[in-house]
Amino acid sequence: DTGVSQNPRHKITKRGQNVTFRCDPISEHNRLYWYRQTLGQGPEFLTYFQNEAQLEKSRLLSDRFSAERPKGSFSTLEIQRTEQGDSAMYLCASSWGSSRGNEKLFFGSGTQLSVL
Amino acid sequence: DAKTTQPPSMDCAEGRAANLPCNHSTISGNEYVYWYRQIHSQGPQYIIHGLKNNETNEMASLIITEDRKSSTLILPHATLRDTAVYYCMGLSAGNMLTFGGGTRLMVKP
Repeated sequence: DTGVSQNPRHKITKRGQNVTFRCDPISEHNRLYWYRQTLGQGPEFLTYFQNEAQLEKSRLLSDRFSAERPKGSFSTLEIQRTEQGDSAMYLCASSWGSSRGNEKLFFGSGTQLSVL
Repeated sequence: DAKTTQPPSMDCAEGRAANLPCNHSTISGNEYVYWYRQIHSQGPQYIIHGLKNNETNEMASLIITEDRKSSTLILPHATLRDTAVYYCMGLSAGNMLTFGGGTRLMVKP
């Protein structure tokens, strides 16, 4: 068990640029989640995949955000035309189970995005 | 999911038990109580969860009151490495883990 891996660890970009983050979940996990966390706040849910299907998206996820999980393995989160308000820690988590509500989420260390 | 209420901060002496309370008076019958913690600059770490019965694992114990309106997370012998923000949450099927403000636990030597 190598844990959830996120890359890059840090990303600095200029406003208006596009950025893409990658998450490699624990290999046997079928569920994958993206969260966003700003300084001093708890993580906020963004989106959820079960295998390759994106089943839920938060209202926080504007049209500039898109996430994919091809083949139900790794996932990418892309932000287009970044804004300074997008600066945050982006966290990925994975879990395994058939029944929602009774599952342990394992989180990666996150990607810290700074938009200048 | 239940709205949870936690004290914003607590101190604990190293080697002593840390008892972190959580109120979840609106919890529904099928909602699990989850505890996670987050150490600075790391992702949240799962600690323990339960439905009705008390639970214990290698990290902590979870005591849930009989009416399920509150719970207590117990770290039996706190160390400096247990300094973190501790989140209590309710979760039922079909919903997402929703983090609140948590309790900032400071373990002091």
